Amino acid sequence: GAVVSQHPSWVICKSGTSVKIECRSLDFQATTMFWYRQFPKQSLMLMATSNEGSKATYEQGVEKDKFLINHASLTLSTLTVTSAHPEDSSFYICSARTPAKGKNSPLHFGNGTRLTVT
Amino acid sequence: KNQVEQSPQSLIILEGKNCTLQCNYTVSPFSNLRWYKQDTGRGPVSLTIMTFSENTKSNGRYTATLDADTKQSSLHITASQLSDSASYICVVSAREDNYGQNFVFGPGTRLSVLP
Repeated sequence: GAVVSQHPSWVICKSGTSVKIECRSLDFQATTMFWYRQFPKQSLMLMATSNEGSKATYEQGVEKDKFLINHASLTLSTLTVTSAHPEDSSFYICSARTPAKGKNSPLHFGNGTRLTVT
Repeated sequence: KNQVEQSPQSLIILEGKNCTLQCNYTVSPFSNLRWYKQDTGRGPVSLTIMTFSENTKSNGRYTATLDADTKQSSLHITASQLSDSASYICVVSAREDNYGQNFVFGPGTRLSVLP
């Protein structure tokens, strides 16, 4: 089945530094990937939609200059948290869909990245 | 406003018992409803996908039902196992699009299966 790989699985960084998270579709091409944020005991919140070869679409309230998304190829999207602060500590998850299989195909999720900003 | 509600918020059952999780939604126009299982610290994994015309769908010990008239869905877990301990998330697609921008996520039900 379709696999989405996310890296790293966890990262600890100091406040003010930037962190890059990668999301790869391993056995399919994903023209669109999604980035989510999840706080403890809460459900996923869509942050942005990453479109291959074009600018990402951000959800209301998500700072595009802080959460930089690059989708340079059909199998890779990256999320960079710039100038991270402790409040950015969260679980970040990406997902991708296989458009060729139609609208009822499942979303395939990465295993998430636990970001801790100290 | 498109919303998905789930109940109960959390549930504790003994190994081997059955349980049913509920999902109510006010999403329109409805496209499909998905149940996902999310283990702690992991990404969600798809269990079932149901369209408007489907009333029930099974995946092993998981059986999902859908009543599009009342906008309710349930996920029934049979003969629970310790590995079923996870969060179960109901996700409703808001329209027939090709990219999934309109997935509406429920808050999840946290299931704990005890030995």
